[in-house]
Amino acid sequence: AQKITQTQPGMFVQEKEAVTLDCTYDTSDPSYGLFWYKQPSSGEMIFLIYQGSYDQQNATEGRYSLNFQKARKSANLVISASQLGDSAMYFCAMREGVQGGSEKLVFGKGTKLTVNP
Amino acid sequence: ETGVTQSPTHLIKTRGQQVTLRCSSQSGHNTVSWYQQALGQGPQFIFQYYREEENGRGNFPPRFSGLQFPNYSSELNVNALELDDSALYLCASSWGGGQGAFFGQGTRLTVV
Repeated sequence: AQKITQTQPGMFVQEKEAVTLDCTYDTSDPSYGLFWYKQPSSGEMIFLIYQGSYDQQNATEGRYSLNFQKARKSANLVISASQLGDSAMYFCAMREGVQGGSEKLVFGKGTKLTVNP
Repeated sequence: ETGVTQSPTHLIKTRGQQVTLRCSSQSGHNTVSWYQQALGQGPQFIFQYYREEENGRGNFPPRFSGLQFPNYSSELNVNALELDDSALYLCASSWGGGQGAFFGQGTRLTVV
């Protein structure tokens, strides 16, 4: 069963506007972590933000915030004040449990974000 | 920059050959994972090494194997290459705390 779903293959946003990238997940493990990564055309996966399943508050990192709705099993990424350099692929990922240092991540198929000037 | 470096950056191999990809982990990280990313897809977990032992494996055949060295650098070996092995191979290192892994720039493997 697909564990991470990103329903938006592509998104467009005007420079300086905010954009929300959707992510839903499926797990029966009470302990999990949710991540967002940015992948520019160069290929490197750049860590953006992390949300633990027991965290009470939504995670924020600069212009990035994660809208975590546990009951809906959603973890949407919000990028405020978009910049041209934000154009890239964005991946949502989940880690289940924390057994023995496990860092296995399950990724969605990604959303391609294009920021227009 | 994450401090995770991979070599080579690009590689072309012939079907049936063997390949070794290398990864140098970020200082202080004792866990390394390898992922395969086919074109247009998200990365797929191959396996993970924690303190030099494999402690997790994805749905990949045994011809995908790996090593982690005492300095926590790592290798991914693929035997009997197939055309479908053409992909971006990503190495990720972490300290095992479960709060995220840091990726290298990847090795783009083309099998012809």
